[in-house]
Amino acid sequence: KAGVTQTPRYLIKTRGQQVTLSCSPISGHRSVSWYQQTPGQGLQFLFEYFSETQRNKGNFPGRFSGRQFSNSRSEMNVSTLELGDSALYLCASSLRGANTEAFFGQGTRLTVV
Amino acid sequence: SQQGEEDPQALSIQEGENATMNCSYKTSINNLQWYRQNSGRGLVHLILIRSNEREKHSGRLRVTLDTSKKSSSLLITASRAADTASYFCATVVFQGAQKLVFGQGTRLTINP
Repeated sequence: KAGVTQTPRYLIKTRGQQVTLSCSPISGHRSVSWYQQTPGQGLQFLFEYFSETQRNKGNFPGRFSGRQFSNSRSEMNVSTLELGDSALYLCASSLRGANTEAFFGQGTRLTVV
Repeated sequence: SQQGEEDPQALSIQEGENATMNCSYKTSINNLQWYRQNSGRGLVHLILIRSNEREKHSGRLRVTLDTSKKSSSLLITASRAADTASYFCATVVFQGAQKLVFGQGTRLTINP
């Protein structure tokens, strides 16, 4: 079966712009989580969506938001980009959430200049 | 704050040797998971060990769990160059809802 697909793979944006990243989970998976990975902070949890509802949220400012559609596809949006938002953004899907095996996409490398 | 902390932060060994990485965590867990990440790519799930299990094997991987010490170890036997990657342990933290939290990882380098 197809894995987790994240688009785009690479993105360069200017400070102040906004960006939308997309994640298509494995078919049948209802949980989608997003992580930000940077060399300094490691893997930081952003949020989790389950059946179109945000089930959990990490400690990120309101500029970071997300949503999930009825087909379980998820998007995350970052508004008013800052240089510090440059990171690898990873999406993970699982059957039921945190206590089950997570399958990750290849990530979106966002560079803010 | 991090739930899991890996040790060492970096490990360099010769091909064929065994590699051991350790993870310590802070709170009670239902299970602990290990993941591998090749440079700049997504994470790959390696193994999940439940809190009532003490040891689990998968191919060349052996994971142990000591809930009394709140620690786990990942052993890779007969290492290969392709094992070069970062390895992360992950545990579930309950903060209003459950979320999977990762440690900072161990960077493993296998020298040919």
